[in-house]
Amino acid sequence: QKEVEQNSGPLSVPEGAIASLNCTYSDRVSQSFFWYRQYSGKSPELIMSIYSNGDKEDGRFTAQLNKASQYVSLLIRDSQPSDSATYLCAVRDRGNTPLVFGKGTRLSVIA
Amino acid sequence: KAGVTQTPRYLIKTRGQQVTLSCSPISGHRSVSWYQQTPGQGLQFLFEYFSETQRNKGNFPGRFSGRQFSNSRSEMNVSTLELGDSALYLCASGVGETGNTIYFGEGSWLTVV
Repeated sequence: QKEVEQNSGPLSVPEGAIASLNCTYSDRVSQSFFWYRQYSGKSPELIMSIYSNGDKEDGRFTAQLNKASQYVSLLIRDSQPSDSATYLCAVRDRGNTPLVFGKGTRLSVIA
Repeated sequence: KAGVTQTPRYLIKTRGQQVTLSCSPISGHRSVSWYQQTPGQGLQFLFEYFSETQRNKGNFPGRFSGRQFSNSRSEMNVSTLELGDSALYLCASGVGETGNTIYFGEGSWLTVV
């Protein structure tokens, strides 16, 4: 059974700080990795995807992937109160298998 | 470009009834996936359709079913509703290719009383 693990939080960071969100996955053949943000009462929205080892940057967001350690992370620089949400990590095997989601980490950015 | 559209947004049903939820994917997307989200279990995969064929299925009882039409629109049905079926039902669409990204609709909030 594929598992995607995230610390449920809440993770509290001061405004302007770097928030670091972590995710581990159990299946070594996983090949596609995604981060979604979900505000309370809303649906998940895609932040970014990453497929290769290393870092991928998009604005204030950086995704980091280490397949050998089965670990993917999301860094949010210059955190803002509007970043307060639940962040969902999702993993997909090769091919067209379904996305498997972690239960999410709740982030709270304190002004 | 319009996003994923789900209807109805909110509904209340009585235990034992059945419900049908509808999803219109992003234009050009051929894959539609359905997820159930509850506070305790998180996002759980129900099924995925691609070109009118069920491509993947999650571990849900047979009361949960779905289909996809030739225009890629999809419906899911839950029969004999139970209190535990109360959840946010999310539809997501993608282009359907290997490793593709999926985009969620706003969801249908189902309450079973």
